[in-house]
Amino acid sequence: AQSVTQLGSHVSVSEGALVLLRCNYSSSVPPYLFWYVQYPNQGLQLLLKYTTGATLVKGINGFEAEFKKSETSFHLTKPSAHMSDAAEYFCAVSVIKAAGNKLTFGGGTRVLVKP
Amino acid sequence: EPEVTQTPSHQVTQMGQEVILRCVPISNHLYFYWYRQILGQKVEFLVSFYNNEISEKSEIFDDQFSVERPDGSNFTLKIRSTKLEDSAMYFCASRRGVTGANVLTFGAGSRLTVL
Repeated sequence: AQSVTQLGSHVSVSEGALVLLRCNYSSSVPPYLFWYVQYPNQGLQLLLKYTTGATLVKGINGFEAEFKKSETSFHLTKPSAHMSDAAEYFCAVSVIKAAGNKLTFGGGTRVLVKP
Repeated sequence: EPEVTQTPSHQVTQMGQEVILRCVPISNHLYFYWYRQILGQKVEFLVSFYNNEISEKSEIFDDQFSVERPDGSNFTLKIRSTKLEDSAMYFCASRRGVTGANVLTFGAGSRLTVL
């Protein structure tokens, strides 16, 4: 079974500062990894994903994440935070199965951006 | 861009009542899912559905829950006799296939409040 741990349920950053959200996963087989963002009162929107190939993946809104197999990590970064980045961010893992391959989510990290 | 549509956006019900939450997945998608998010908690997998049958379900998805795809377009989640602890945001999601390129697309959610 797979699992995801997000370190820090809340992160506060200043506008223009680096955003770093940590995600560690556990999986018995090579995983697919995802970051989703949830804005207030909205659904889950895909930010980026890692499946195979290049370990540094770029997503929407200037976010990127790096898959590090040796560290079982998939941390999300953005060089310069914007007020519009205030949201909750979920890391998720998935493995291929015969049918369905569900996503397993981490607990989420709520980002507050200070002016 | 194709969307997953969920109705209602918010439903308030009395404990013990039956509730049906409706979803219209993206038209060429083959895999369907329900997730829930209790306020302030992580997004939890409930059930996956493929080829007109449940492919996987979590321990949360007990006999009070059922899913069906009655007409080839809608995908419904029924809770037979709601409990207070069923209060949550319920997300429907769909996916074209199981390869890594085929990510889950989520709807905006249906908020269920059980009184």
